[in-house]
Amino acid sequence: AQSVTQLGSHVSVSEGALVLLRCNYSSSVPPYLFWYVQYPNQGLQLLLKYTTGATLVKGINGFEAEFKKSETSFHLTKPSAHMSDAAEYFCAVSAWNSGGSNYKLTFGKGTLLTVNP
Amino acid sequence: DGGITQSPKYLFRKEGQNVTLSCEQNLNHDAMYWYRQDPGQGLRLIYYSQIVNDFQKGDIAEGYSVSREKKESFPLTVTSAQKNPTAFYLCASSIRRGATYEQYFGPGTRLTVT
Repeated sequence: AQSVTQLGSHVSVSEGALVLLRCNYSSSVPPYLFWYVQYPNQGLQLLLKYTTGATLVKGINGFEAEFKKSETSFHLTKPSAHMSDAAEYFCAVSAWNSGGSNYKLTFGKGTLLTVNP
Repeated sequence: DGGITQSPKYLFRKEGQNVTLSCEQNLNHDAMYWYRQDPGQGLRLIYYSQIVNDFQKGDIAEGYSVSREKKESFPLTVTSAQKNPTAFYLCASSIRRGATYEQYFGPGTRLTVT
């Protein structure tokens, strides 16, 4: 079974500072990994995903994530935080069923990002 | 604009009543999902449906029921058997892009049962 662990339920940064949100995964097969963002009282929006190929993945709003197989990690970064980045961020991994399809995602518990002026 | 609609945004019910949450999508996606979100617990899968007239239980299906009579619609009923129904409910649909399925989410329904 696949799983993800997000280290830190709450991260606080100053505006203009580096954002680093941590995600580690567990998977017995090559993982497909995702980062989603959720603004208060809204649904989730896909930021970026990793399937195969280039390990540094660029997403929307200036975010990027690097897949590191040796560390089983997929951390999300942004060089300079903006007030509008304040939200909850979820890491997810594709979950494969016994039929060989990967319709489902397994989500981490989320990291709430606060940006201080 | 294509998207996923969930209604209503806020829903209040008395304990012991069944309640149905609506989810409609016009993205022409085959697969649809229902998640429950509680503070600090992330998203937990309730039910999902890969095609019309077929659906599977997720991780926390007890006390919930669904139907999938149309491709566009995937309503969720929270029954009186659900012990702790107060939560934020998210509907999603997905499309295959390359090797993966990308899920797109609706705005959610916040259910409060007292």
